[in-house]
Amino acid sequence: KQEVTQIPAALSVPEGENLVLNCSFTDSAIYNLQWFRQDPGKGLTSLLLIQSSQREQTSGRLNASLDKSSGRSTLYIAASQPGDSATYLCAVISETSGSRLTFGEGTQLTVNP
Amino acid sequence: DAGVIQSPRHEVTEMGQEVTLRCKPISGHNSLFWYRQTMMRGLELLIYFNNNVPIDDSGMPEDRFSAKMPNASFSTLKIQPSEPRDSAVYFCASSSSGAQYFGPGTRLLVL
Repeated sequence: KQEVTQIPAALSVPEGENLVLNCSFTDSAIYNLQWFRQDPGKGLTSLLLIQSSQREQTSGRLNASLDKSSGRSTLYIAASQPGDSATYLCAVISETSGSRLTFGEGTQLTVNP
Repeated sequence: DAGVIQSPRHEVTEMGQEVTLRCKPISGHNSLFWYRQTMMRGLELLIYFNNNVPIDDSGMPEDRFSAKMPNASFSTLKIQPSEPRDSAVYFCASSSSGAQYFGPGTRLLVL
């Protein structure tokens, strides 16, 4: 059974700092990995999708990497801003799970002005 | 595109009542997913459809829950009868064999 773990559970940084969020998964046989953000009381916003054959994806100040063989992904946020404060969720689709996303528990990020 | 649309956004009902949640996926997406989110259990997949056909309903808690997708642009999740433990945020998501895009959710409170 696929399990996804995110570390740290919470992170507080000053504005302008570069930061890294970590995600690990137990079964490396995945189709893709997706990073989301969720603001309090809101739905999930898709940030980046990495296919299993890719190593990284970039969107603006966000860069996500994938090391499938070691079961790890990182989300790098450059020059953090207070508006980046949210919960960040990592999710994978395993080769044995159809289209089912398995989610981590998230990292709650606070960027202080 | 307006994204995934869900209604109602909030629902308060009494135990034993029937609840129907509605979802309109993004046009052109062929997969639709229903999730439930609670503090205790996080995000759980309840059921998903491919081309309007239910593929995996193993996450549906019990017979009180049912989901339908009569056409490519509409799906419902029904709870009958509802119970206080069903209180949660219910999300609908859609995809076209890639990223999943989530709706804003329906916040359900069963008293």
